Amino acid sequence: GAVVSQHPSWVICKSGTSVKIECRSLDFQATTMFWYRQFPKQSLMLMATSNEGSKATYEQGVEKDKFLINHASLTLSTLTVTSAHPEDSSFYICSAAGDVNYGYTFGSGTRLTVV
Amino acid sequence: QQQVKQSPQSLIVQKGGISIINCAYENTAFDYFPWYQQFPGKGPALLIAIRPDVSEKKEGRFTISFNKSAKQFSLHIMDSQPGDSATYFCAASPFSGSRLTFGEGTQLTVNP
Repeated sequence: GAVVSQHPSWVICKSGTSVKIECRSLDFQATTMFWYRQFPKQSLMLMATSNEGSKATYEQGVEKDKFLINHASLTLSTLTVTSAHPEDSSFYICSAAGDVNYGYTFGSGTRLTVV
Repeated sequence: QQQVKQSPQSLIVQKGGISIINCAYENTAFDYFPWYQQFPGKGPALLIAIRPDVSEKKEGRFTISFNKSAKQFSLHIMDSQPGDSATYFCAASPFSGSRLTFGEGTQLTVNP
């Protein structure tokens, strides 16, 4: 089946630094990738949608300059959290869509802790 | 209109019992209704999905029931096992590749 690889699985960074999270579709071409944020015991909150080769579309309230998304190829999308602060600590999950039969495949998530 | 309402928030079932989770939606443009299973520290994994042209879909112990007129769909887990203990999310989307709208999630605990 379709596999999405997300790295790193966890990261601890100092406040003020930037962190990059990668999301790769291993065996299919992902025309659209989605980035979610999930707080403990809550649902997934969509942050942005990215299509290969074009700018990401951010959800209302998500700072595009803080959460930089790049979808440079059909198999790779990255999320960079710039100038991270403790309130950015969360579980970030990517999802890729590429199957015409409504296939969505999720990555395993990245636990970000900003200290 | 974009919301998907999910209930219950938490559910405790004995081993071998039936777990039932319900979802309701408003947007009649939704055309794809998946259920996801999520374990702590992991991303969601697709469990089973249905499209509105059928009223029921079964895969192993998991069954989706879909009521288009009531705009409701539910997940039934038969013969629930402790290994089924996880958080379950329903979701919906209007067309292929578009954004998924998630329910609030149900934390299922299956006691041995």
